[in-house]
Amino acid sequence: KNEVEQSPQNLTAQEGEFITINCSYSVGISALHWLQQHPGGGIVSLFMLSSGKKKHGRLIATINIQEKHSSLHITASHPRDSAVYICAVGAKGTYKYIFGTGTRLKVLA
Amino acid sequence: GAVVSQHPSRVICKSGTSVKIECRSLDFQATTMFWYRQFPKQSLMLMATSNEGSKATYEQGVEKDKFLINHASLTLSTLTVTSAHPEDSSFYICSASSADRTEAFFGQGTRLTVV
Repeated sequence: KNEVEQSPQNLTAQEGEFITINCSYSVGISALHWLQQHPGGGIVSLFMLSSGKKKHGRLIATINIQEKHSSLHITASHPRDSAVYICAVGAKGTYKYIFGTGTRLKVLA
Repeated sequence: GAVVSQHPSRVICKSGTSVKIECRSLDFQATTMFWYRQFPKQSLMLMATSNEGSKATYEQGVEKDKFLINHASLTLSTLTVTSAHPEDSSFYICSASSADRTEAFFGQGTRLTVV
């Protein structure tokens, strides 16, 4: 079993839909990142969380430390949101990151 | 927020040549930087931990003579892929943490293609 599990692996949505991507982990963590990777492109860090909830524009990230679970929500999804979203967990006491396999999102116009 | 700048974002090189990738922390002192690699359709995997002023610590299976890491200052770590081969073609990314370890930041990544 991977230490960081993401679901779903692939997701296709219609423009305007509300999207949720989940991340579960089995290790103690110092922080969790949500990253966005466009095809052929670089990585953009969306959020860094150690507790609670953060919001940036149409993106919302939550984390439940007790349940070892985080979610990334996209409201009013748009085709430009199409990308791979990666959950990265920083092992407790260090900032070595363990990455999920990513969720490939495609938003159709 | 703090920024980690990675350069270049894309590079194409010939087989047998060496390529250097830079990771800079722009507004904080990064005592520790990490280098990761992503194979196609796989997760990013840690290659090595780079500590300022000391030798890097490599993960099992990563050739230290092939992937040279230098962390000569608190704002710069470099990864040099020596004698590159097509199988070294990959996406490489760095992350940096501050001295007090309260935050960590990712570079944008470098896509290396060896032809």
